Amino acid sequence: DGGITQSPKYLFRKEGQNVTLSCEQNLNHDAMYWYRQDPGQGLRLIYYSQIVNDFQKGDIAEGYSVSREKKESFPLTVTSAQKNPTAFYLCASSTPRLGNTEAFFGQGTRLTVV
Amino acid sequence: DAKTTQPPSMDCAEGRAANLPCNHSTISGNEYVYWYRQIHSQGPQYIIHGLKNNETNEMASLIITEDRKSSTLTLPHATLRDTAVYYCIVRPRMDSSYKLIFGSGTRLLVRP
Repeated sequence: DGGITQSPKYLFRKEGQNVTLSCEQNLNHDAMYWYRQDPGQGLRLIYYSQIVNDFQKGDIAEGYSVSREKKESFPLTVTSAQKNPTAFYLCASSTPRLGNTEAFFGQGTRLTVV
Repeated sequence: DAKTTQPPSMDCAEGRAANLPCNHSTISGNEYVYWYRQIHSQGPQYIIHGLKNNETNEMASLIITEDRKSSTLTLPHATLRDTAVYYCIVRPRMDSSYKLIFGSGTRLLVRP
């Protein structure tokens, strides 16, 4: 089945370590996104990519980095510069069609930094 | 991006209609209204979208006012599984930046 897969579902890291979250899609979508969600809050955009080898900062990009070497993959690295990395991270993908740009989301990765 | 305003929480009885309002008074002519929902600890799920006509699918109905400044999402027969946070979003018809900006949404509680 087509879809968007995030792994792992739960991730624990020690403070000061970089960690990379995986996001893969087989929907042939051009655009991919990373969001962060804190308890009881809405989603905030970290980075997004419209095409391979191109990406833009969202509203809260500081302390994060991404790459888009393949259309199917958009990994997010949470660096040690991110002051409060513990959160729920969501990846999404979409492709523009006239009148509809529905986005599909993965099931998320819950990152806990201790 | 146009902003949306939603009540923070609502509740309804199981089997009854759930009507979720959204204000988007600054919406422009080329912007669509999208609705997503997020069940606890899962990724958001697309529900429905519309431009100016009322829309219906197997999940819900969307009514957009004639001036397009507000809309209402209706779940005709709410079930316990509809308990979730519902997000109303506006975005351009052909958004070259592809961004989806989420607000805080409405937390819907369906009571037994």
